[in-house]
Amino acid sequence: GAGVSQTPSNKVTEKGKYVELRCDPISGHTALYWYRQSLGQGPEFLIYFQGTGAADDSGLPNDRFFAVRPEGSVSTLKIQRTERGDSAVYLCASSSEGGRTEAFFGQGTRLTVV
Amino acid sequence: AQRVTQPEKLLSVFKGAPVELKCNYSYSGSPELFWYVQYSRQRLQLLLRHISRESIKGFTADLNKGETSFHLKKPFAQEEDSAMYYCALRPGAQKLVFGQGTRLTINP
Repeated sequence: GAGVSQTPSNKVTEKGKYVELRCDPISGHTALYWYRQSLGQGPEFLIYFQGTGAADDSGLPNDRFFAVRPEGSVSTLKIQRTERGDSAVYLCASSSEGGRTEAFFGQGTRLTVV
Repeated sequence: AQRVTQPEKLLSVFKGAPVELKCNYSYSGSPELFWYVQYSRQRLQLLLRHISRESIKGFTADLNKGETSFHLKKPFAQEEDSAMYYCALRPGAQKLVFGQGTRLTINP
């Protein structure tokens, strides 16, 4: 089957606008992760879902960032009042159970705030 | 604090030469360590994990708790090994903590 799918692949938005980034995990995977990768850096953890609930949101940088996973499958990362510093590649990953199982990554959404 | 350090941002070796990508970690508990690889225009993918103790594409990595290191090694580099490599630590059961990555270039 298909791997983790993220849309859009690229997003350019103006400073101050609201954006939504979507992640379709591998079917049946209960664990879903969001990471952010700034230029020249490794991925940085944002939030982890187990099913519908956010089990760990300690990586969200501030209250402009929010993520949901209402039916335990697709997840949306929402960023309000975007800033130029939010420009990065946003990666989504999923795994079958969380815990010690392998996480599979999507191709990422490149967000550019101008 | 949980931290992964990859001291080399860039590493260039000739085809057939040995390769070692360095990774050091900081974690007070019992860590789970990984190497991830990203080939050009492809997504990030798992290369190997320390608990598997396996060799993938000729690469091996040994966890050295005394030196808090998890260096990635390959005895004879191949051109297709050129990629971005990330060392990662899983401190608990969930999130990954990544190093900043090493870009490996294999010269013909």
